[in-house]
Amino acid sequence: EAQVTQNPRYLITVTGKKLTVTCSQNMNHEYMSWYRQDPGLGLRQIYYSMNVEVTDKGDVPEGYKVSRKEKRNFPLILESPSPNQTSLYFCASSLSLGTANYGYTFGSGTRLTVV
Amino acid sequence: AQSVAQPEDQVNVAEGNPLTVKCTYSVSGNPYLFWYVQYPNRGLQFLLKYITGDNLVKGSYGFEAEFNKSQTSFHLKKPSALVSDSALYFCAVRDTGFQKLVFGTGTRLLVSP
Repeated sequence: EAQVTQNPRYLITVTGKKLTVTCSQNMNHEYMSWYRQDPGLGLRQIYYSMNVEVTDKGDVPEGYKVSRKEKRNFPLILESPSPNQTSLYFCASSLSLGTANYGYTFGSGTRLTVV
Repeated sequence: AQSVAQPEDQVNVAEGNPLTVKCTYSVSGNPYLFWYVQYPNRGLQFLLKYITGDNLVKGSYGFEAEFNKSQTSFHLKKPSALVSDSALYFCAVRDTGFQKLVFGTGTRLLVSP
């Protein structure tokens, strides 16, 4: 089944403790992206990757890191989480946003709480 | 910059009645518009998209959307609402640099029995 898999689904952590949220897609998509969803703000892009070893900042990249060593994986790293990073996170992939016919396939989300 | 606006935080409709969830857009150039739905504890699912062509776009689960260039709108519609349609709906537009989809703030649809 074609899908985007995120882990974990739920995570509670303490301020300053490094964590990684994994994202993997099995559709051979070139483009991958991370979003955070907050009430009243919709979805905001954190980072995106157009292909392997190519990553760039989105609208809210502060406090986050990403890597794209393989086409299928795009982990989101929080080196020193803070309470304002408590949010619902989504990974998304697309064959190519450069072609008009493609949108996103989303993962199921990761609900992160930083205390 | 491309943007979309969803003016209603919540829409309430009775089962069997028609529903409309509103979206307006602001773009330079041709708009590529999308609707996604989010059910509780689930990721976003694609409903439909407008790229070019007919102004009435048909999508999944009986939903359709009407593209109106003069009003810069892309409203989501369904002729007869179901309780199971209750969810959070997001409108989105592809940005000019093809770097992302830009999402609205979402509209919660509540369909009462």
